[in-house]
Amino acid sequence: NAGVTQTPKFQVLKTGQSMTLQCAQDMNHNSMYWYRQDPGMGLRLIYYSASEGTTDKGEVPNGYNVSRLNKREFSLRLESAAPSQTSVYFCASSDLWEQFFGPGTRLTVL
Amino acid sequence: AQRVTQPEKLLSVFKGAPVELKCNYSYSGSPELFWYVQYSRQRLQLLLRHISRESIKGFTADLNKGETSFHLKKPFAQEEDSAMYYCALSNFGNEKLTFGTGTRLTIIP
Repeated sequence: NAGVTQTPKFQVLKTGQSMTLQCAQDMNHNSMYWYRQDPGMGLRLIYYSASEGTTDKGEVPNGYNVSRLNKREFSLRLESAAPSQTSVYFCASSDLWEQFFGPGTRLTVL
Repeated sequence: AQRVTQPEKLLSVFKGAPVELKCNYSYSGSPELFWYVQYSRQRLQLLLRHISRESIKGFTADLNKGETSFHLKKPFAQEEDSAMYYCALSNFGNEKLTFGTGTRLTIIP
């Protein structure tokens, strides 16, 4: 099993450009999450999805949109990237007791 | 609102010395507490959870509801313990986690 996979691993954008971060899991989990990791601020939840077809805002949703395409896939979209969105983005899925994380996407917005 | 506080951003400990990473929380319900770890070039992964009362890689953590703390301890630090450690909290039965800001532990040879 691959667990949680994310693409791309690295991305550089210019201010105002858009992009979609892809995430997929093969563990048949209902819940999936998107976090951003910034120095000194830890992991902050952007959006999460408790089941296929549902999404909810987390702590820092502004500037992002998500799509739970099916049970396996949960994508994060930046419609108009800003330098403040420079960060490392992690996708995760969970069973009742543990979250499983992807390898992360390092995004730089110039 | 639930909150997790890790007061130390950086912690350096000599190999063989005891380690304690502090975690305090605020939550009015019945919390579940976890420690997650991120080793260099590896994914963030679960280290231990209080409900299982396990000792993983020599680490233990006791939930102290009176002090609202869940400190991570190890009696003798090893070089491979160098990593980023996150304390996290969830509602009982809810999978969504609130993370602390993390502590970077460095073990000095």
